[in-house]
Amino acid sequence: EPEVTQTPSHQVTQMGQEVILRCVPISNHLYFYWYRQILGQKVEFLVSFYNNEISEKSEIFDDQFSVERPDGSNFTLKIRSTKLEDSAMYFCASSDGDTNTFPNYGYTFGSGTRLTVV
Amino acid sequence: AQKITQTQPGMFVQEKEAVTLDCTYDTSDQSYGLFWYKQPSSGEMIFLIYQGSYDEQNATEGRYSLNFQKARKSANLVISASQLGDSAMYFCAMREGRNRDDKIIFGKGTRLHILP
Repeated sequence: EPEVTQTPSHQVTQMGQEVILRCVPISNHLYFYWYRQILGQKVEFLVSFYNNEISEKSEIFDDQFSVERPDGSNFTLKIRSTKLEDSAMYFCASSDGDTNTFPNYGYTFGSGTRLTVV
Repeated sequence: AQKITQTQPGMFVQEKEAVTLDCTYDTSDQSYGLFWYKQPSSGEMIFLIYQGSYDEQNATEGRYSLNFQKARKSANLVISASQLGDSAMYFCAMREGRNRDDKIIFGKGTRLHILP
């Protein structure tokens, strides 16, 4: 079964430091997403990305956040200057956009990166 | 307004009993998909079951079934013969619209405790 892979599984960073969370989506998928889940709360959408552009972003996704697909396989989320409230689980997801799998589009989540800002 | 409503923040169920986790949704789209995910204490999001809005049959996957009542906008998850390993957080989620990059919207979740 194809997987979305996220690294690292847990990252601890000092407040004010930059952090990059990495994701390898499923190889034939074209649409990529980041979600955030603060401990004990619901999962919130951050951003969607297609064709090297942001398709949609939430109000959470401010100037501190950026996303990039630096090569053909990785999809990254960068937080420029981390704050204590950025501590959360971050999930990457991808989908294939194939009409044969509409409306599920093969949506698949990674296992998450737990970010702790100290 | 909430798009996905899960009214049970927590549930306690005896092992081997069946469990129904409630979910109602709100959308004006005709095309949408409904998901259930399980999140154990380790934190990963495990996909359980999916129902498309045009699917006439209720989805089933092993011990999981989705009781889809379109007119009532309800998509309850039923777990038959519950096991201790079913103890986890369960999220109902929806993907609406026809756009290929549409996001998934989650409910607040139900924490299920299976008692021995």
